[in-house]
Amino acid sequence: GAVVSQHPSRVICKSGTSVKIECRSLDFQATTMFWYRQFPKKSLMLMATSNEGSKATYEQGVEKDKFLINHASLTLSTLTVTSAHPEDSSFYICSARQWGTYNEQFFGPGTRLTVL
Amino acid sequence: ELKVEQNPLFLSMQEEKNYTIYCNYSTTSDRLYWYRQDPGKSLESLFVLLSNGAVKQEGRLMASLDTKARLSTLHITAAVHDLSATYFCAVDTLIIQGAQKLVFGQGTRLTINP
Repeated sequence: GAVVSQHPSRVICKSGTSVKIECRSLDFQATTMFWYRQFPKKSLMLMATSNEGSKATYEQGVEKDKFLINHASLTLSTLTVTSAHPEDSSFYICSARQWGTYNEQFFGPGTRLTVL
Repeated sequence: ELKVEQNPLFLSMQEEKNYTIYCNYSTTSDRLYWYRQDPGKSLESLFVLLSNGAVKQEGRLMASLDTKARLSTLHITAAVHDLSATYFCAVDTLIIQGAQKLVFGQGTRLTINP
């Protein structure tokens, strides 16, 4: 299957700082990428759909000023958690959809964010 | 609104036993996915099911889809410890205004004991 990378895999930061997470599709072009958040022992919660060259579509209840998404190229989307607080600590997972027979989403390895 | 429900949410079983995880969804969809997640890791794709009656098998895992009943099953045959993980099903929404997204079930945490 197609490969999606995320960087960094783990980040620890102080409260009030901003953190940027990168999501790249390595061997295919992705016009659409997705950002999920996962709390311990819970399912994945879709935060937003990232569309190349246009604004992201945020799910209800997700603060767009808090979670900035940029999808500047067909292989890169970034999520910036602005002024992070301890309640933003979570596992963030991106995915990229490869359009074709299966229209399958391929998931990145995830980023563990810990805000002190 | 599409809802996806898995059953059971927790499953503890012995090696060499068979069991089935169920995934029900509430509205029409044209594809269903099964994923595996190990602790601290991201999702690993297991199966993509596209049509009614689709059946796919990989090793001790077999997935099937009944679109009329809006039901998919993940069957585990002769379980081994390595299959311990959390299993998610996910269903694609229909394409609306060019957008399509996955809706996940709650996950089934499977523990296989020697």
